[in-house]
Amino acid sequence: DAGITQSPRHKVTETGTPVTLRCHQTENHRYMYWYRQDPGHGLRLIHYSYGVKDTDKGEVSDGYSVSRSKTEDFLLTLESATSSQTSVYFCAISDNQVPGDEQFFGPGTRLTVL
Amino acid sequence: AQSVTQLDSQVPVFEEAPVELRCNYSSSVSVYLFWYVQYPNQGLQLLLKYLSGSTLVKGINGFEAEFNKSQTSFHLRKPSVHISDTAEYFCAVSDDKIIFGKGTRLHILP
Repeated sequence: DAGITQSPRHKVTETGTPVTLRCHQTENHRYMYWYRQDPGHGLRLIHYSYGVKDTDKGEVSDGYSVSRSKTEDFLLTLESATSSQTSVYFCAISDNQVPGDEQFFGPGTRLTVL
Repeated sequence: AQSVTQLDSQVPVFEEAPVELRCNYSSSVSVYLFWYVQYPNQGLQLLLKYLSGSTLVKGINGFEAEFNKSQTSFHLRKPSVHISDTAEYFCAVSDDKIIFGKGTRLHILP
């Protein structure tokens, strides 16, 4: 299995509070991604990174920010959590962003915003 | 713009019976196609992928998929399912960026 960990694995928070999710990889892959998974929507890309300090928006980036100060860590921040951000969040990595490249997924973080 | 449609949100099937999970895609250019599997409480992992060449692709755990360009389909099949195949299956298409379908839950009935 690819070395990807996510922390925390579960979190319950209240509306309006800031939340940071962490993704850590030991594979030295260049690309890192944050997705959210919701019933009936599949996986939707929030943000991705193509190198240290290089990030870009995905399909559902509103309300989220990211940072990547080291190759191995990719942080997802909800500045002021809302109930609509209750979801399961997955981090993924890939060595390249060529179209045929496989993405490797972390175990997920289940976030509940009350 | 590319898109992917998984025609069934849930598929029940008896153990040891065959199964087909359907996937259709649209894209204006050549695409690469994937099937990922998600076991309960886990992340996704790659089952198989089509890049080019033979239209019949074999993956892990006895699964295979056939790329049909004229029907823009990439259906996933297994001749005999096992209880351990209980999972959600995601079809994905990629030309520039990868787009995932909404998933199909496979329920194995005893």
